Amino acid sequence: AQSVSQHNHHVILSEAASLELGCNYSYGGTVNLFWYVQYPGQHLQLLLKYFSGDPLVKGIKGFEAEFIKSKFSFNLRKPSVQWSDTAEYFCAVNAGNTGFQKLVFGTGTRLLVSP
Amino acid sequence: SAVISQKPSRDICQRGTSLTIQCQVDSQVTMMFWYRQQPGQSLTLIATANQGSEATYESGFVIDKFPISRPNLTFSTLTVSNMSPEDSSIYLCSVEAAAYNEQFFGPGTRLTVL
Repeated sequence: AQSVSQHNHHVILSEAASLELGCNYSYGGTVNLFWYVQYPGQHLQLLLKYFSGDPLVKGIKGFEAEFIKSKFSFNLRKPSVQWSDTAEYFCAVNAGNTGFQKLVFGTGTRLLVSP
Repeated sequence: SAVISQKPSRDICQRGTSLTIQCQVDSQVTMMFWYRQQPGQSLTLIATANQGSEATYESGFVIDKFPISRPNLTFSTLTVSNMSPEDSSIYLCSVEAAAYNEQFFGPGTRLTVL
């Protein structure tokens, strides 16, 4: 069975600091990878996704993630965080052969950015 | 994108009762999903609901406990039956928008069982 690990459960940063959130998955075949974000009081929304092609994926709000197949990783990065990035971030994986998105989520990382 | 609403947004229920959660989408979608997010844990897929067929349940979830209806392409319900405190969780509905290759999520229903 697929699984997703997010090693940082809580991260506290000051504004302008750089961010990297780790995500590792366990599945040997083709995968589709996602990062979702949930801002306080809001719905889960998609930050970025990787299906194929360039392993460096750019998403909304200045976020990017790099797919490293050999490491089974899909870490999320942002060079300079803002207070408005305070949210919970979820990594998710879908095995690429199901024909639809059967997502397996990590446990999430709560990011607090202090002004 | 798809706009999803859920009712109720939250509820407090007594042990042994049942609660039906509604999910409404503003456009027709083929795939709808129900997830559970227990306190401090990740989102876990309960079942996939396709219109015109029975829902497909994930390991650990059964129809008797979580019956699902999908009467049309814009609506689904999830019932949490014979509730216990362990069912206290956030229940989320999502839909797959094939044109976007992504899932859109509803706001969730926060359930507390006493």
